Amino acid sequence: GQQVMQIPQYQHVQEGEDFTTYCNSSTTLSNIQWYKQRPGGHPVFLIQLVKSGEVKKQKRLTFQFGEAKKNSSLHITATQTTDVGTYFCARGYSGAGSYQLTFGKGTKLSVIP
Amino acid sequence: NAGVTQTPKFRVLKTGQSMTLLCAQDMNHEYMYWYRQDPGMGLRLIHYSVGEGTTAKGEVPDGYNVSRLKKQNFLLGLESAAPSQTSVYFCASSYGQKEYFGPGTRLTVT
Repeated sequence: GQQVMQIPQYQHVQEGEDFTTYCNSSTTLSNIQWYKQRPGGHPVFLIQLVKSGEVKKQKRLTFQFGEAKKNSSLHITATQTTDVGTYFCARGYSGAGSYQLTFGKGTKLSVIP
Repeated sequence: NAGVTQTPKFRVLKTGQSMTLLCAQDMNHEYMYWYRQDPGMGLRLIHYSVGEGTTAKGEVPDGYNVSRLKKQNFLLGLESAAPSQTSVYFCASSYGQKEYFGPGTRLTVT
C-alpha cells in the first residue's frame, strides 16, 4: 500500500535527447520527493512536490505532480553527460510522531556522448 | 559543516561476526535514518529515530539493532552478520522532510 512504482528501470539516451521518468502510486500521495544518485555516490535531494497539479522547474529539469496526487514525473530536456545517475522518487508519510520516506526502485539514466 | 558522515567506508566481515556502523551529523537534526541499498531494490528503511533516546523499526529491521544515545549520532549494529546483509548502507538525517544522506558504507559478508 505504501509502495511507489518507477518506470522505466533503465534508460539509455543520446546526449541532447530528452528523458522522462515516472513515479506511480495506487494511493493518494501527501507529497513526493525526487533524489539523484550519481554512480558511486549518495542520494541528493532535488525537490519536493506537495500540491495537486504542481509543476516546478530547475534549469533543464521539470517536475510534475499529478492532479490526483497519485503520480509524478521528472523530465530532463536536452540531456548532458552530467545527468548520468539514478533518479529516485520517494513518497513521504507521517504517523505516530514520525516522518518517513518510501523510495521507488529508481530509474538509471545513461547518456551516450 | 561536515553534514552527515559515516564510518567505516568499507568493511568485510565473516559470517557470524559483529560490527557497528557509526553515523554522525552536525546539523542538529532530530530525525535520523538507516537505509540499505541493494541492486535493483532502491533504498529500504532499516530503522529510524525521531530524537535522542528513541528508535523505531523500518521496513527491513531484522538482524539489525540501533541506538541513539546522543542527538548527533545514530549507530547501526549487526550482532551476527549474514551474507544476506551484504549491501551498501546509507545514513540520513532530516530537517523539514528533506533528507541529507551520508556517503555510505559498503559492507561485504563472506
